[in-house]
Amino acid sequence: DADVTQTPRNRITKTGKRIMLECSQTKGHDRMYWYRQDPGLGLRLIYYSFDVKDINKGEISDGYSVSRQAQAKFSLSLESAIPNQTALYFCATSDLWTGKNTGELFFGEGSRLTVL
Amino acid sequence: GNSVTQMEGPVTLSEEAFLTINCTYTATGYPSLFWYVQYPGEGLQLLLKATKADDKGSNKGFEATYRKETTSFHLEKGSVQVSDSAVYFCALSDSWGNQFYFGTGTSLTVIP
Repeated sequence: DADVTQTPRNRITKTGKRIMLECSQTKGHDRMYWYRQDPGLGLRLIYYSFDVKDINKGEISDGYSVSRQAQAKFSLSLESAIPNQTALYFCATSDLWTGKNTGELFFGEGSRLTVL
Repeated sequence: GNSVTQMEGPVTLSEEAFLTINCTYTATGYPSLFWYVQYPGEGLQLLLKATKADDKGSNKGFEATYRKETTSFHLEKGSVQVSDSAVYFCALSDSWGNQFYFGTGTSLTVIP
């Protein structure tokens, strides 16, 4: 099983609908992130959380909200979806960098969202 | 601020050709540098990393050297294979590993 699991993997919805993308992890990491990938734009950070009580906006948080339900769960919501939110969304986790670990991000397989 | 500029693609090479994907960065402090690879239909996975100047990261025949004097972290492979076809992302993390910044990605296609 994947260490970082995203559901759903694919979703087609209509403008104005509420959508939730869920992420769960078994890596035991405190830090979780939501990114959006668009062709030619790379990955852009939407929100991140360094522990259960910590939520921070990224560079493109408008139109999105998040909930950190537990150390292992971090959900992304689109309250009223619009077509330009059509993208591939990635959840990622990382551990606190100690200098002795890799300090890398571990990614889920992505959730492809299409808003019509 | 921190940012990563990456060579635009797409790049198409014949099998066994030499690969270079350029990456330069702007950062304050002491960033770590990464190359991630995304195979079709999958999430990103770490390919290699370097945490300080002059470090060389290597994995699966790929190499990149952290050059502080030129603020670069170019990815190289001496002989690419069809299985290397993927999108490659250069990234950096800030001095504390709190924030990550990604380039726009370079699509590589290797033809037999």
